[in-house]
Amino acid sequence: DAGVIQSPRHEVTEMGQEVTLRCKPISGHDYLFWYRQTMMRGLELLIYFNNNVPIDDSGMPEDRFSAKMPNASFSTLKIQPSEPRDSAVYFCASARSLAATNTGELFFGEGSRLTVL
Amino acid sequence: GENVEQHPSTLSVQEGDSAVIKCTYSDSASNYFPWYKQELGKGPQLIIDIRSNVGEKKDQRIAVTLNKTAKHFSLHITETQPEDSAVYFCAASRGRDDKIIFGKGTRLHILP
Repeated sequence: DAGVIQSPRHEVTEMGQEVTLRCKPISGHDYLFWYRQTMMRGLELLIYFNNNVPIDDSGMPEDRFSAKMPNASFSTLKIQPSEPRDSAVYFCASARSLAATNTGELFFGEGSRLTVL
Repeated sequence: GENVEQHPSTLSVQEGDSAVIKCTYSDSASNYFPWYKQELGKGPQLIIDIRSNVGEKKDQRIAVTLNKTAKHFSLHITETQPEDSAVYFCAASRGRDDKIIFGKGTRLHILP
C-alpha cells in the first residue's frame, strides 16, 4: 500500500482565499484524523471520522474550518476564508481500529504545509 | 478532556549516552500510551506503545515505563545514535475507539 497520501504538499496563499487540503487514507482503515502542527501548540487534533462519519470535531478552531469525508477513500479539510494564523502543517492520519485490544496505530501522511500571507 | 504534558521541549545528548523524555496525563481513564517519532519533513511514526496493564516495555534500545498512580510515562533511549535525532511525541487515549491526544513534542539532538 502507498500509505496515506496528502495533497498539496505545500500551499502558499493570500489571506481571505479558500484553501482545500486533500487526503487519501490507507485502504481498509476505518478511521481518519486531521491534525494541525505548529511550534506553539504541537500536534492538535482537529476532527476525526469513523466509517466516513464525523465523530468529534471539538478541535476545529472555528466556523472557517470544515471537513468532509464523502467516501472511504477521500477526505477534505477546507479553510474559508484563510488567515495568517492558519499557517501550519496539516496532517491526515488513518487507523484500522482504536480499540484497546488492537494496535491502535495511526499512519500519518507527509503533511500539507500551509502558508497564509 | 485529556491533557498531555511533555518535557523537555528540547534535549541534546552526546552520541552513545541515554535520553529520557517524560510525559504526564490528566485523564485517569486513559489506558493506551503510544510514542511517535517524527523525522524532518515526514509525518510521525509509531515507535513503541504501552497499555495500562503493563508497567514497562522494551524494544531493543527503546523502553517505555508507565506509572498509573502518578499518571506519568517515560521514553528511554539507550546508546543513542545520530539517526535518533528527531521530534518525539507522547500520546494518551482511553482506547475503545477514543481519540489519541498528543503532547507538544520533544526535539532530540544527538551530538557527535
